[in-house]
Amino acid sequence: GEDVEQSLFLSVREGDSSVINCTYTDSSSTYLYWYKQEPGAGLQLLTYIFSNMDMKQDQRLTVLLNKKDKHLSLRIADTQTGDSAIYFCAEPNQAGTALIFGKGTTLSVSS
Amino acid sequence: ETGVTQTPRHLVMGMTNKKSLKCEQHLGHNAMYWYKQSAKKPLELMFVYNFKEQTENNSVPSRFSPECPNSSHLFLHLHTLQPEDSALYLCASSQDRVAEAFFGQGTRLTVV
Repeated sequence: GEDVEQSLFLSVREGDSSVINCTYTDSSSTYLYWYKQEPGAGLQLLTYIFSNMDMKQDQRLTVLLNKKDKHLSLRIADTQTGDSAIYFCAEPNQAGTALIFGKGTTLSVSS
Repeated sequence: ETGVTQTPRHLVMGMTNKKSLKCEQHLGHNAMYWYKQSAKKPLELMFVYNFKEQTENNSVPSRFSPECPNSSHLFLHLHTLQPEDSALYLCASSQDRVAEAFFGQGTRLTVV
């Protein structure tokens, strides 16, 4: 069945790089997404990558895609305390009707 | 502000009450969704509407009843809920079914 797996917690120091990992199951997904959820808020689209790309860079964010291993990662350079949030990996479901999400990775940034 | 507004932000209801959650989007999107977010669980897709028609019901109990009167508004009617239904209910919309979704801030529901 469809499944998106993420590690639940990541703790880093301010200024370090953060790497959040995700594995997915549907190799036919055309796009893969990263969402961010701050406390008390809904999910906000952070970035996405098209499946024919290996890497996408957007300012401090780098997305790496390994289609062979069905592995997606999000790297945040120079992590700031404001980056503390829950990060969700998402892919379209097989029916193409909606996005399915992992459990989310809670990123904690200490100063 | 994402263009998707949910009301109320917080709701406490008894198991015998009837209440409704409201979602409104001003983005001109054609698809709208209800998701349930519980602690330590993946977001659960509940319902999908596309051009006001329900296209997916993800095995949701009948005590949850969605309504989509037009492509800008989505409701979730609640009745005789259980304490385990307490969660954050998120509404989202997208331009088409596989495009990136825009989320509201959610309604924090507590069933007592």
